[in-house]
Amino acid sequence: QVQVVESGGGVVQPGGSLRLSCATSGFRLDSNGMHWVRQAPGKGLEWVAFIKYDGNIKDYVDSVKGRFTISRDNSKNTLYLQMSSLRAEDTAVYYCAKDGDSSEDYMGVWGKGTTVIVSS
Amino acid sequence: AIRMTQSPSSLSASTGEKVTITCRASQGISSYLAWYQQKPGKAPELLIYDALILKSGVPSRFSGSGSGTDFTLTIRSLQSEDFATYYCQQYHSYPLTFGGGTKVEVK
Repeated sequence: QVQVVESGGGVVQPGGSLRLSCATSGFRLDSNGMHWVRQAPGKGLEWVAFIKYDGNIKDYVDSVKGRFTISRDNSKNTLYLQMSSLRAEDTAVYYCAKDGDSSEDYMGVWGKGTTVIVSS
Repeated sequence: AIRMTQSPSSLSASTGEKVTITCRASQGISSYLAWYQQKPGKAPELLIYDALILKSGVPSRFSGSGSGTDFTLTIRSLQSEDFATYYCQQYHSYPLTFGGGTKVEVK
């Protein structure tokens, strides 16, 4: 059964850092593209970051470039999102998602999310 | 970035009614469009990809159509479990972008 489970959320001060983790099971992490998507309170969905199945391509929404880094550890079947220089506008539920059947570029399976609150 | 515009932003409907949600892309995206359903307090779930292909297990009352810039999600006969917010997403090019969502509420 394909499953992704996020963890690592919490409350952090502006300017601080946080690392989110996404534990995966039921599929090979090194054979699938993975995404992070976030949802600010009461708002819609915003794609944040992508890592290609082979790890050679990573991409980010402009608002997090230079501050967030997506990575993975295939041996641990875990995806990460390292977040630094956090801002109030980064407050959101962060979802990890596995790619789809026909393309790496949509989200076929989602986790339940982990909440990040940036506040002093 | 490609802008995705959904309409309406919300609608009220009764069980058994047919519901249609529209998604328009700011430039042509071929058929690189997905639809997601999100219920309150829950994660989104994929319904449709490649504009018209239902994910396995999704009820056949859901259907998708369109290509280029104009797309439609149709729920043939609304059921109680379909009251939710629906999002479209383009994957023609990065950055990936979502529509603003359409909330389907009970009339």
